[in-house]
Amino acid sequence: DAKTTQPPSMDCAEGRAANLPCNHSTISGNEYVYWYRQIHSQGPQYIIHGLKNNETNEMASLIITEDRKSSTLILPHATLRDTAVYYCIVRGYNQAGTALIFGKGTTLSVSS
Amino acid sequence: DAGVTQSPTHLIKTRGQQVTLRCSPKSGHDTVSWYQQALGQGPQFIFQYYEEEERQRGNFPDRFSGHQFPNYSSELNVNALLLGDSALYLCASSGMDRGRPYEQYFGPGTRLTVT
Repeated sequence: DAKTTQPPSMDCAEGRAANLPCNHSTISGNEYVYWYRQIHSQGPQYIIHGLKNNETNEMASLIITEDRKSSTLILPHATLRDTAVYYCIVRGYNQAGTALIFGKGTTLSVSS
Repeated sequence: DAGVTQSPTHLIKTRGQQVTLRCSPKSGHDTVSWYQQALGQGPQFIFQYYEEEERQRGNFPDRFSGHQFPNYSSELNVNALLLGDSALYLCASSGMDRGRPYEQYFGPGTRLTVT
């Protein structure tokens, strides 16, 4: 699996968009970008994943650069409940249920 | 539909003892993975069970063992507990789910403290 690099921490004002970057310069052609988040003392929660097109769901948007070497998770209107550690993970889509390799992630702090 | 459930929620054990943690996967999921999360770190993969067999294993000693039952539930056993085994133990299940294959769904975890 390709390695990812994320900033250790970010701050965001409530109601503003939170843009969380991730670098994955060694990503290969069949690897997807996954995002999970972990609210304090809870299990990680799946957010979104994508290959090369931008993706959007009810939780967030994922923007992947054309060269696929980096991506940005966007929470359009951050709330206090979005305060969590956000993990960017790269793995192959056909690795059905195989191990997720977590780094240290980005701690997002949303304040009022 | 209940998600992934784990028991117990908290546990305190003494060095040298043995512990068993339990996990019930999300309905319709057939694969269970276990992770260890030390304080301030990301989760670390222990092993994964599918069709009652260990399919994949991370870099953990043989003191860590597991089992999967015919109903897909799973147990994690840790023998000869060390202080360093104190952590949050997470169970994740996976399978086809509403057209989203293979994302892992995590339980709330079991907090193990070894004294």
